[in-house]
Amino acid sequence: QKEVEQDPGPLSVPEGAIVSLNCTYSNSAFQYFMWYRQYSRKGPELLMYTYSSGNKEDGRFTAQVDKSSKYISLFIRDSQPSDSATYLCAMSAKAAGNKLTFGGGTRVLVKP
Amino acid sequence: DAGITQSPRHKVTETGTPVTLRCHQTENHRYMYWYRQDPGHGLRLIHYSYGVKDTDKGEVSDGYSVSRSKTEDFLLTLESATSSQTSVYFCAIARGGDQETQYFGPGTRLLVL
Repeated sequence: QKEVEQDPGPLSVPEGAIVSLNCTYSNSAFQYFMWYRQYSRKGPELLMYTYSSGNKEDGRFTAQVDKSSKYISLFIRDSQPSDSATYLCAMSAKAAGNKLTFGGGTRVLVKP
Repeated sequence: DAGITQSPRHKVTETGTPVTLRCHQTENHRYMYWYRQDPGHGLRLIHYSYGVKDTDKGEVSDGYSVSRSKTEDFLLTLESATSSQTSVYFCAIARGGDQETQYFGPGTRLLVL
């Protein structure tokens, strides 16, 4: 059982739709939760960062953390073909030196 | 842009040869990391550094060593490359009050024949 689980997809949606991504985790010590976007043959790019539970919004992106359920989500509104990428969740605990534990990534394809 | 460069960007080598990958940062960050990314495994931490000459092992450190003699450079060495070390290698730096957010370099693609 992996510490962080993420559906690999691919998730295919039409342009303009809402993309919904999620990760589950088992380590209740995780405090920091991140979403990265990775285009093919590029490095991961930090999209959203949340501390503890709650919601955070940045433009078309909304990140949610539910620590009681050990579940995090990323929503992309008004999706564009340029959103086609692999999305990685990552999380860390301060007590563990904030070393990141990643999910395997979900591949998203937004069709024009 | 986190001011991170990696070299080389691509490398093909033969089993048993030593390989050194370089990560260079321009922003004077204390924490630096090396990851490998493989299909089905995501990103896994190899080694990290929390200062000059201060390093520690990550999840998949066997067969790898690191050195950090200057703040800006973090080197990853495969002492004797094996085919299982064929992968994409990413360097990262940490920012934030608790060093909680990491920013990644462009990666090095390594093929061990």
